[in-house]
Amino acid sequence: QSALTQSASVSGSPGQSITISCTGTSSDVGSYNLVSWYQQYPGKAPKLMIYEVSKRPSGVSNRFSGSKSGNTASLTISGLQAEDEADYYCCSYAGSSAYVLFGGGTKLTVL
Amino acid sequence: EVQLVQSGAEVKKPGESLKISCEGSGYSFTTYWIAWVRQMPGKGLEWVGIIYPGDSDTRYSPSFQGQVAMSADKSISTAYLQWSSLKASDTAMYYCVRHPPGIRSRGVVSGISTFDYWGQGTLVTVSS
Repeated sequence: QSALTQSASVSGSPGQSITISCTGTSSDVGSYNLVSWYQQYPGKAPKLMIYEVSKRPSGVSNRFSGSKSGNTASLTISGLQAEDEADYYCCSYAGSSAYVLFGGGTKLTVL
Repeated sequence: EVQLVQSGAEVKKPGESLKISCEGSGYSFTTYWIAWVRQMPGKGLEWVGIIYPGDSDTRYSPSFQGQVAMSADKSISTAYLQWSSLKASDTAMYYCVRHPPGIRSRGVVSGISTFDYWGQGTLVTVSS
């Protein structure tokens, strides 16, 4: 199975909201409410930001929210801050053969 | 505090074998699953596989099946990822990650999706 599809880059100004999309198929994103999102700074390990489509782990800012419609999941960051500039990856359960798929990653630039 | 501490960077030649490690602390090591994730230089994340340290039950991504082997020693809270014959294309950062329990029922593993704690990564470089 192919990786999930994310746009390569997105940008926004401080205070604005941005949305990163993650498109899969009816065999992965569309079939399960098991999408997670990860934030990765250069040279650092990724960090879990959203799990099971829209749940936030303890300690993650409520400026981060997740949703899903059909085969596309989305991560929205509101009140954009300079510290949000990073790469973001989506991930979905993909059934009992492929198991897990990641997206190709989206680079967020805060202007 | 939950921590996953990985072994240090490795430089190997093609054809050599390698075993990297990931020691868990601050939680019940035998209750949570440990997965491995690859990140090739300048590229995205790829799921390698997952192991349950409690009984060493493993599942591999089809892309990595037969290419690597996962194991765990619960007596020292350590998981391993190993190669018997490295290739240049194995050059990458490898992360161990923790996954909450509750994804296995009657021997079937499903619902893998939440990697809540990550190790710092082990850089593997394979070059002649």
